[in-house]
Amino acid sequence: EIVLTQSPGTLSLSPGERATLSCRASQSVNSNYLAWFQQMPGQAPRLLIYDASSRATGIPDRFSGTGSGTDFILTISRLEPEDFAVYYCQQYGSSPRTFGQGTKVEIK
Amino acid sequence: QVQLVQSGAEVKKPGASVKVSCKASGYTFSDYYMHWVRQAPGQGLEWMGWINPNNFDTSYAQRFQGRVTMTRDTSISTVYMELRRLRSDDTAIYYCARDSRRYFDFWGQGTLVTVSS
Repeated sequence: EIVLTQSPGTLSLSPGERATLSCRASQSVNSNYLAWFQQMPGQAPRLLIYDASSRATGIPDRFSGTGSGTDFILTISRLEPEDFAVYYCQQYGSSPRTFGQGTKVEIK
Repeated sequence: QVQLVQSGAEVKKPGASVKVSCKASGYTFSDYYMHWVRQAPGQGLEWMGWINPNNFDTSYAQRFQGRVTMTRDTSISTVYMELRRLRSDDTAIYYCARDSRRYFDFWGQGTLVTVSS
């Protein structure tokens, strides 16, 4: 199975700053079938990005995804107060579908 | 609008079984696979498997093989996930998630299952 490793584990930033989250796969992700999810405390995950770089419906353009093969990046250009949450990457190019362990973006 | 509404919290004893439901609305139920994902307290997300509501096809993560069964009732647009021989480390929030044909585009609100003697 493909193991996804996210870094850093925790990112401490201030509102208005830029956040860069990394997701590295143990082997190439087929067709760059990689998604990013945001999870707020007590809530279900919410789809942000699919196919590595496509924004889901209703997602603000401050969220962007890049990458291919084994290395993927989620960038939040300017953090808003509601962006402080945990972010997960997930690959759906091969079975079993796997998730990264998550990156927590916290207020500095 | 698409909605996935799950059944309420459960408390079970070790060795028992639990069956969680996920009722879909706002789209054609049989057109989309449904997956189950769980999250232990303070932990990450773990994929459990999927069901094709159009037929009886299922696929389960290896670690749940033999303990999990996913079923559906098309008459009420509902999928079910049953987990047997519960252990304390099965304590988690269980989510259903719709498969857009690639990625998970909609999630249920989650069902907390607590396993405790």
